[in-house]
Amino acid sequence: NAGVMQNPRHLVRRRGQEARLRCSPMKGHSHVYWYRQLPEEGLKFMVYLQKENIIDESGMPKERFSAEFPKEGPSILRIQQVVRGDSAAYFCASSPGEGLVNSPLHFGNGTRLTVT
Amino acid sequence: DQQVKQNSPSLSVQEGRISILNCDYTNSMFDYFLWYKKYPAEGPTFLISISSIKDKNEDGRFTVFLNKSAKHLSLHIVPSQPGDSAVYFCAASEGNFNKFYFGSGTKLNVKP
Repeated sequence: NAGVMQNPRHLVRRRGQEARLRCSPMKGHSHVYWYRQLPEEGLKFMVYLQKENIIDESGMPKERFSAEFPKEGPSILRIQQVVRGDSAAYFCASSPGEGLVNSPLHFGNGTRLTVT
Repeated sequence: DQQVKQNSPSLSVQEGRISILNCDYTNSMFDYFLWYKKYPAEGPTFLISISSIKDKNEDGRFTVFLNKSAKHLSLHIVPSQPGDSAVYFCAASEGNFNKFYFGSGTKLNVKP
């Protein structure tokens, strides 16, 4: 399967624990995006990364949230000290990268985070 | 800052008829627009796109119309099929940034 792979599909954490969400982009894609969907809402942009670079993190909450896309391995979205309001579906998307104007994002199936 | 709006949360259509899903945006700098389809427990799937230099793009049963002066786009599905029942999101981006703003979605139900 050459699509965007996210794991885990479901993640349950107690308040105060850490959540780590992983995303492997489509083969040949060098740009990764993280979006969050709260219940009954649309997708909200969080962060846009290239390998080893954060391009735009304007949608990330200022505290507890961080993202990385290392040279080797998947992109990681990390939420520290989770609270109930973090419960949502987190979607990762990828695109081919620079020089390719107007290309759609390809999404994974998401990680559904539940904070108890 | 809701820059992309889908004002109809749901739409019900009879099989074989036309489905029209609407989307409005506020940022006149948006120049690339997408429609995605989403089934429960899955990620959004890209359907069709249009750039601001066009006013219409067609792909099989799906046609997207763009009215730049009204800052409005619509997705037409003809004929509608029960398998089209899903949530449809419109999205828009500005320039070469590939940062997309999404609407809140319209849930389409196509009745057999």
